Amino acid sequence: GEDVEQSLFLSVREGDSSVINCTYTDSSSTYLYWYKQEPGAGLQLLTYIFSNMDMKQDQRLTVLLNKKDKHLSLRIADTQTGDSAIYFCAESIRGGGADGLTFGKGTHLIIQP
Amino acid sequence: GAVVSQHPSWVICKSGTSVKIECRSLDFQATTMFWYRQFPKQSLMLMATSNEGSKATYEQGVEKDKFLINHASLTLSTLTVTSAHPEDSSFYICSAADAIQGYYEQYFGPGTRLTVT
Repeated sequence: GEDVEQSLFLSVREGDSSVINCTYTDSSSTYLYWYKQEPGAGLQLLTYIFSNMDMKQDQRLTVLLNKKDKHLSLRIADTQTGDSAIYFCAESIRGGGADGLTFGKGTHLIIQP
Repeated sequence: GAVVSQHPSWVICKSGTSVKIECRSLDFQATTMFWYRQFPKQSLMLMATSNEGSKATYEQGVEKDKFLINHASLTLSTLTVTSAHPEDSSFYICSAADAIQGYYEQYFGPGTRLTVT
């Protein structure tokens, strides 16, 4: 079945860039997502990318997709304390409006002062 | 943005009893709602997909008689955990999608922590 893998923890200094990596196995994945989860709040969609794209940039966020290696990354520039959260990678074949998403276990981003 | 609420946010129940969790889309009509389950340090696992007015579609391994899902209106879905046991203790998260507005995004509720004693 589908599998999405990501490391559990990432620690970075405030002001540095954070790079969170994710690998997936389903070659049929069409939509790839990054969600942010803060304590007591629902998952917040940060960004998504279609499988026919290599890169997407949105302000401090840059998503890179290597479809051949089934590797997705999220770069957060100038990491701030407010970026401290759990970041989930997820994938879908038909899009989140029609399909349930397959999630990774989440990467806990820790910001050092 | 679209808001999804869940009620209750946490619940403790005794083994053998049933618990109902509500999921509401507050400012949009949810043509499709999804129910996920999350264990500590684990990913969200999709349990079922429900379309308004239709029977829910359950993922493999999810007992449909144990986890009853009702999606009676475009703004409300309920998950009832019947005859709950300690192994059902988990974090249950719902999400909602509006197929008219967009096909790529689901909006997530804040989750419900269920503890069965």
